[in-house]
Amino acid sequence: EAQVTQNPRYLITVTGKKLTVTCSQNMNHEYMSWYRQDPGLGLRQIYYSMNVEVTDKGDVPEGYKVSRKEKRNFPLILESPSPNQTSLYFCASSALGRGSAHEQFFGPGTRLTVL
Amino acid sequence: AQTVTQSQPEMSVQEAETVTLSCTYDTSESDYYLFWYKQPPSRQMILVIRQEAYKQQNATENRFSVNFQKAAKSFSLKISDSQLGDAAMYFCAYRSAYAGGTSYGKLTFGQGTILTVHP
Repeated sequence: EAQVTQNPRYLITVTGKKLTVTCSQNMNHEYMSWYRQDPGLGLRQIYYSMNVEVTDKGDVPEGYKVSRKEKRNFPLILESPSPNQTSLYFCASSALGRGSAHEQFFGPGTRLTVL
Repeated sequence: AQTVTQSQPEMSVQEAETVTLSCTYDTSESDYYLFWYKQPPSRQMILVIRQEAYKQQNATENRFSVNFQKAAKSFSLKISDSQLGDAAMYFCAYRSAYAGGTSYGKLTFGQGTILTVHP
């Protein structure tokens, strides 16, 4: 089954304790992205990757890091989480190019609470 | 930069009736894609319908259809014969079709509209 998986689904942590949210896709997609969802703001892009070893900042990258060492994986790293990073996080992937459906497939979301 | 605006934070509809959710966007590009995503209480993001800007014909998927007005930069979603399972948050989203740009691949979302369906 074609899917994007994220782990963990729920996480409660404390300020300053480094954490990683994993993301993996099995569709051989070039493009992967992280979004955060906050009430009244919709989803906003944090970081994205066009391919292996190619990553760049989205609209709200402060306090986050990513890496893309393999095509299927795109982890999101919070090295020193703060309460303003409490949010719902989504990983997404899609093919690129005119011939693709341009549909972006989303993971199930990770609810993060930073105390 | 592109922006997407959903001016209706909440909407409600009676079961079996029709409801329209509004979306406007701002862009200087002529080639792009527009999407409506549904987010039920499970939080999963589900693609409802997709429109390609260079296609004049409005997209339709079963009970879901769009009214795409390119000149007005408007992209509304019509849900016909509403069902209880349609209750969810709905997001309108924009995606550039220009390869190589820094925003290529990125989805720009509106704020969302919560749809309630009354039995």
